[in-house]
Amino acid sequence: DTGVSQDPRHKITKRGQNVTFRCDPISEHNRLYWYRQTLGQGPEFLTYFQNEAQLEKSRLLSDRFSAERPKGSFSTLEIQRTEQGDSAMYLCASSASSTEAFFGQGTRLTVV
Amino acid sequence: ILNVEQSPQSLHVQEGDSTNFTCSFPSSNFYALHWYRWETAKSPEALFVMTLNGDEKKKGRISATLNTKEGYSYLYIKGSQPEDSATYLCAFNSNYQLIWGAGTKLIIKP
Repeated sequence: DTGVSQDPRHKITKRGQNVTFRCDPISEHNRLYWYRQTLGQGPEFLTYFQNEAQLEKSRLLSDRFSAERPKGSFSTLEIQRTEQGDSAMYLCASSASSTEAFFGQGTRLTVV
Repeated sequence: ILNVEQSPQSLHVQEGDSTNFTCSFPSSNFYALHWYRWETAKSPEALFVMTLNGDEKKKGRISATLNTKEGYSYLYIKGSQPEDSATYLCAFNSNYQLIWGAGTKLIIKP
């Protein structure tokens, strides 16, 4: 499979629990993006990596959110002490330089 | 704050009719304008990346134009088919960040 893959596809968690999502980008892509999508909205930018460096983090993102890309390959997005408002689709995308981004299937998070 | 706006928000089109919709974006710090197609339960799929003022791109029955000076792009679909039903997203590429519009939801009526 040469596309962007995300794991898990679905996650249901209780409020207050921590969750971690994984994204495996297309192997030759050096840029990796995390987005959040809520119903009826376009993707909302969360954070961006170029190789292993996290170059930008959205001001909308609280301190409960953290992302890593330790070896410049796969990335993880962790949400601590989840809240119901965190329920959304979390999308990962990768690109080579400033070409179009290719998206994974997303992880749908439901906080109950 | 950089803002990307798409209109209309949703659109119902009779099968066989042609249609178009708009993406408005900042006219400064422009690097590229992307169009994506997003079907329910699938990932966004890239349609076009446009970088030069006056660019026109075409893929089958879908085409797009770009005006970077006034900050807008049009997406055209000729002879709409049911499989064209999707949300069409545009994204403004400023340096490394993609700033997204909320999309135009297109529904083709048979």
